[in-house]
Amino acid sequence: DQQVKQNSPSLSVQEGRISILNCDYTNSMFDYFLWYKKYPAEGPTFLISISSIKDKNEDGRFTVFLNKSAKHLSLHIVPSQPGDSAVYFCAAPLAYKYIFGTGTRLKVLA
Amino acid sequence: DTAVSQTPKYLVTQMGNDKSIKCEQNLGHDTMYWYKQDSKKFLKIMFSYNNKELIINETVPNRFSPKSPDKAHLNLHINSLELGDSAVYFCASYLAGGPNTGELFFGEGSRLTVL
Repeated sequence: DQQVKQNSPSLSVQEGRISILNCDYTNSMFDYFLWYKKYPAEGPTFLISISSIKDKNEDGRFTVFLNKSAKHLSLHIVPSQPGDSAVYFCAAPLAYKYIFGTGTRLKVLA
Repeated sequence: DTAVSQTPKYLVTQMGNDKSIKCEQNLGHDTMYWYKQDSKKFLKIMFSYNNKELIINETVPNRFSPKSPDKAHLNLHINSLELGDSAVYFCASYLAGGPNTGELFFGEGSRLTVL
Protein backbone atom coordinates (compact mmCIF):
# COMPACT_ATOMS: atom_id res chain seq x y z
CA ASP A 1 0.00 0.00 0.00
CA GLN A 2 1.86 3.03 -1.28
CA GLN A 3 0.60 5.97 0.76
CA VAL A 4 2.82 8.48 -1.05
CA LYS A 5 2.94 8.24 -4.82
CA GLN A 6 4.93 9.90 -7.54
CA ASN A 7 3.39 8.76 -10.78
CA SER A 8 6.01 10.22 -13.11
CA PRO A 9 9.22 8.25 -12.94
CA SER A 10 11.06 10.77 -15.08
CA LEU A 11 10.87 14.30 -16.42
CA SER A 12 13.03 16.23 -18.88
CA VAL A 13 13.04 20.02 -18.97
CA GLN A 14 15.07 22.60 -20.84
CA GLU A 15 17.41 24.78 -18.83
CA GLY A 16 15.72 28.00 -17.77
CA ARG A 17 12.21 26.55 -17.95
CA ILE A 18 9.99 25.47 -15.08
CA SER A 19 10.14 21.94 -13.68
CA ILE A 20 7.00 20.66 -11.98
CA LEU A 21 7.22 17.47 -9.96
CA ASN A 22 4.04 15.95 -8.59
CA CYS A 23 3.19 13.86 -5.57
CA ASP A 24 -0.10 12.35 -4.39
CA TYR A 25 -0.92 10.88 -1.01
CA THR A 26 -3.73 8.79 0.35
CA ASN A 27 -3.52 9.20 4.12
CA SER A 28 -5.46 12.24 5.36
CA MET A 29 -3.54 12.05 8.65
CA PHE A 30 -0.42 13.43 6.98
CA ASP A 31 0.09 17.05 7.99
CA TYR A 32 3.68 17.73 6.99
CA PHE A 33 5.40 17.07 3.71
CA LEU A 34 8.99 17.21 2.55
CA TRP A 35 10.89 17.09 -0.70
CA TYR A 36 14.29 15.47 -0.94
CA LYS A 37 16.83 15.58 -3.72
CA LYS A 38 19.18 12.70 -4.44
CA TYR A 39 22.27 12.60 -6.61
CA PRO A 40 23.79 9.25 -7.67
CA ALA A 41 25.92 7.57 -5.00
CA GLU A 42 24.81 10.09 -2.38
CA GLY A 43 22.16 10.10 0.31
CA PRO A 44 18.95 12.10 -0.10
CA THR A 45 19.22 15.71 1.04
CA PHE A 46 16.39 17.81 2.35
CA LEU A 47 15.14 20.47 -0.03
CA ILE A 48 11.94 22.08 1.20
CA SER A 49 8.93 21.28 3.36
CA ILE A 50 5.37 22.41 3.89
CA SER A 51 2.96 22.15 6.77
CA SER A 52 -0.67 21.37 6.11
CA ILE A 53 -1.69 24.75 7.55
CA LYS A 54 -0.14 26.35 4.46
CA ASP A 55 -0.80 25.88 0.78
CA LYS A 56 2.51 27.26 -0.44
CA ASN A 57 6.10 27.49 0.73
CA GLU A 58 8.86 29.16 -1.21
CA ASP A 59 12.63 28.99 -0.91
CA GLY A 60 14.55 30.67 -3.68
CA ARG A 61 13.94 28.83 -6.95
CA PHE A 62 11.94 26.12 -5.18
CA THR A 63 8.25 26.36 -4.32
CA VAL A 64 6.06 23.64 -2.93
CA PHE A 65 2.28 23.80 -3.33
CA LEU A 66 -0.14 21.76 -1.27
CA ASN A 67 -3.74 20.99 -2.24
CA LYS A 68 -5.20 19.15 0.74
CA SER A 69 -8.59 18.54 -0.79
CA ALA A 70 -6.95 16.77 -3.72
CA LYS A 71 -4.28 15.18 -1.52
CA HIS A 72 -1.71 16.50 -3.93
CA LEU A 73 1.51 18.44 -3.67
CA SER A 74 3.88 19.71 -6.28
CA LEU A 75 7.40 21.06 -6.38
CA HIS A 76 8.15 23.87 -8.80
CA ILE A 77 11.70 24.71 -9.77
CA VAL A 78 12.15 27.89 -11.73
CA PRO A 79 14.36 28.53 -13.52
CA SER A 80 15.64 24.97 -13.84
CA GLN A 81 19.41 24.51 -13.98
CA PRO A 82 21.51 21.55 -15.12
CA GLY A 83 22.65 21.07 -11.50
CA ASP A 84 19.04 20.34 -10.58
CA SER A 85 19.26 17.04 -12.45
CA ALA A 86 18.65 14.45 -9.75
CA VAL A 87 15.99 12.16 -8.34
CA TYR A 88 13.36 13.96 -6.26
CA PHE A 89 11.42 12.22 -3.53
CA CYS A 90 8.40 13.52 -1.69
CA ALA A 91 7.89 12.26 1.85
CA ALA A 92 5.44 12.50 4.70
CA PRO A 93 5.93 11.54 8.35
CA LEU A 94 3.44 9.79 10.55
CA ALA A 95 4.41 9.01 14.14
CA TYR A 96 8.13 9.26 13.37
CA LYS A 97 7.81 7.04 10.31
CA TYR A 98 8.85 8.96 7.19
CA ILE A 99 7.16 7.48 4.15
CA PHE A 100 8.74 8.21 0.78
CA GLY A 101 7.34 8.29 -2.71
CA THR A 102 9.00 6.32 -5.47
CA GLY A 103 10.89 9.30 -6.83
CA THR A 104 10.97 11.28 -10.08
CA ARG A 105 14.19 11.53 -12.05
CA LEU A 106 14.57 15.09 -13.33
CA LYS A 107 16.89 15.82 -16.19
CA VAL A 108 17.55 19.45 -17.03
CA LEU A 109 18.88 19.81 -20.55
CA ALA A 110 21.45 22.51 -21.25
CA ASP B 1 32.85 17.07 8.86
CA THR B 2 30.22 14.50 7.85
CA ALA B 3 26.98 14.72 9.83
CA VAL B 4 25.79 11.14 9.25
CA SER B 5 28.49 8.70 8.25
CA GLN B 6 28.13 5.07 7.24
CA THR B 7 30.76 2.39 6.79
CA PRO B 8 31.44 0.62 4.60
CA LYS B 9 30.23 2.47 1.54
CA TYR B 10 30.48 -0.66 -0.60
CA LEU B 11 30.21 -4.27 0.50
CA VAL B 12 30.36 -7.36 -1.72
CA THR B 13 29.85 -10.71 -0.07
CA GLN B 14 28.68 -14.26 -0.64
CA MET B 15 25.27 -15.68 0.18
CA GLY B 16 25.06 -17.08 3.68
CA ASN B 17 27.62 -14.71 5.18
CA ASP B 18 27.00 -12.34 8.07
CA LYS B 19 27.85 -8.67 7.70
CA SER B 20 27.45 -5.38 9.55
CA ILE B 21 27.01 -1.78 8.48
CA LYS B 22 27.86 0.96 10.93
CA CYS B 23 26.32 4.40 11.26
CA GLU B 24 27.32 7.37 13.34
CA GLN B 25 25.82 10.85 13.57
CA ASN B 26 27.44 13.90 15.13
CA LEU B 27 24.35 16.09 15.03
CA GLY B 28 23.24 15.37 18.58
CA HIS B 29 19.97 13.91 17.31
CA ASP B 30 17.78 11.61 19.35
CA THR B 31 16.38 9.37 16.65
CA MET B 32 18.10 7.26 14.01
CA TYR B 33 16.78 5.16 11.16
CA TRP B 34 17.71 2.50 8.68
CA TYR B 35 16.16 2.66 5.23
CA LYS B 36 16.56 0.23 2.36
CA GLN B 37 16.56 1.32 -1.28
CA ASP B 38 15.93 -1.71 -3.43
CA SER B 39 16.41 -2.30 -7.14
CA LYS B 40 13.18 -0.44 -7.88
CA LYS B 41 14.60 2.56 -6.03
CA PHE B 42 11.90 2.52 -3.32
CA LEU B 43 13.07 3.97 -0.02
CA LYS B 44 11.57 1.72 2.64
CA ILE B 45 11.90 2.22 6.35
CA MET B 46 13.29 -0.72 8.27
CA PHE B 47 13.98 0.39 11.83
CA SER B 48 14.08 3.44 14.03
CA TYR B 49 15.66 4.01 17.43
CA ASN B 50 15.03 6.88 19.81
CA ASN B 51 17.63 7.29 22.55
CA LYS B 52 18.73 3.66 22.10
CA GLU B 53 15.17 2.35 22.25
CA LEU B 54 13.55 0.63 19.27
CA ILE B 55 10.46 2.61 18.22
CA ILE B 56 9.82 1.37 14.70
CA ASN B 57 10.31 -2.15 13.43
CA GLU B 58 8.80 -2.71 10.02
CA THR B 59 8.19 -6.14 8.59
CA VAL B 60 11.83 -7.04 8.27
CA PRO B 61 13.20 -10.60 8.45
CA ASN B 62 14.74 -11.32 11.83
CA ARG B 63 18.03 -11.94 10.06
CA PHE B 64 18.32 -8.16 10.32
CA SER B 65 19.24 -6.95 13.78
CA PRO B 66 19.85 -3.29 14.58
CA LYS B 67 21.93 -2.30 17.55
CA SER B 68 22.21 1.13 19.11
CA PRO B 69 25.02 1.29 21.70
CA ASP B 70 24.32 4.99 22.25
CA LYS B 71 22.14 7.60 20.63
CA ALA B 72 24.89 8.63 18.19
CA HIS B 73 25.29 5.14 16.72
CA LEU B 74 22.95 2.72 14.99
CA ASN B 75 24.47 -0.37 13.45
CA LEU B 76 22.81 -2.96 11.25
CA HIS B 77 23.82 -6.58 11.39
CA ILE B 78 22.56 -9.00 8.77
CA ASN B 79 22.81 -12.77 9.21
CA SER B 80 22.70 -15.44 6.52
CA LEU B 81 22.71 -12.98 3.64
CA GLU B 82 20.44 -13.70 0.69
CA LEU B 83 20.51 -12.45 -2.90
CA GLY B 84 17.43 -10.31 -2.20
CA ASP B 85 19.32 -8.39 0.46
CA SER B 86 21.30 -6.65 -2.27
CA ALA B 87 20.36 -3.00 -1.99
CA VAL B 88 21.59 0.37 -0.81
CA TYR B 89 21.08 0.86 2.90
CA PHE B 90 20.73 4.39 4.20
CA CYS B 91 21.12 5.53 7.75
CA ALA B 92 19.35 8.72 8.80
CA SER B 93 18.97 10.81 11.93
CA TYR B 94 16.31 13.15 13.18
CA LEU B 95 15.98 15.65 16.02
CA ALA B 96 12.70 14.67 17.61
CA GLY B 97 10.98 18.02 18.04
CA GLY B 98 7.70 16.22 17.53
CA PRO B 99 6.44 13.14 15.73
CA ASN B 100 5.43 14.84 12.49
CA THR B 101 7.87 17.72 12.06
CA GLY B 102 11.47 18.17 11.06
CA GLU B 103 13.58 16.51 8.45
CA LEU B 104 15.74 13.45 8.23
CA PHE B 105 19.46 13.77 7.60
CA PHE B 106 20.78 10.88 5.54
CA GLY B 107 24.13 9.24 5.27
CA GLU B 108 25.68 8.53 1.88
CA GLY B 109 24.43 4.98 1.78
CA SER B 110 26.06 1.55 1.88
CA ARG B 111 25.69 -0.52 -1.26
CA LEU B 112 25.47 -4.19 -0.39
CA THR B 113 25.90 -6.76 -3.14
CA VAL B 114 25.25 -10.40 -2.33
CA LEU B 115 26.64 -12.91 -4.84
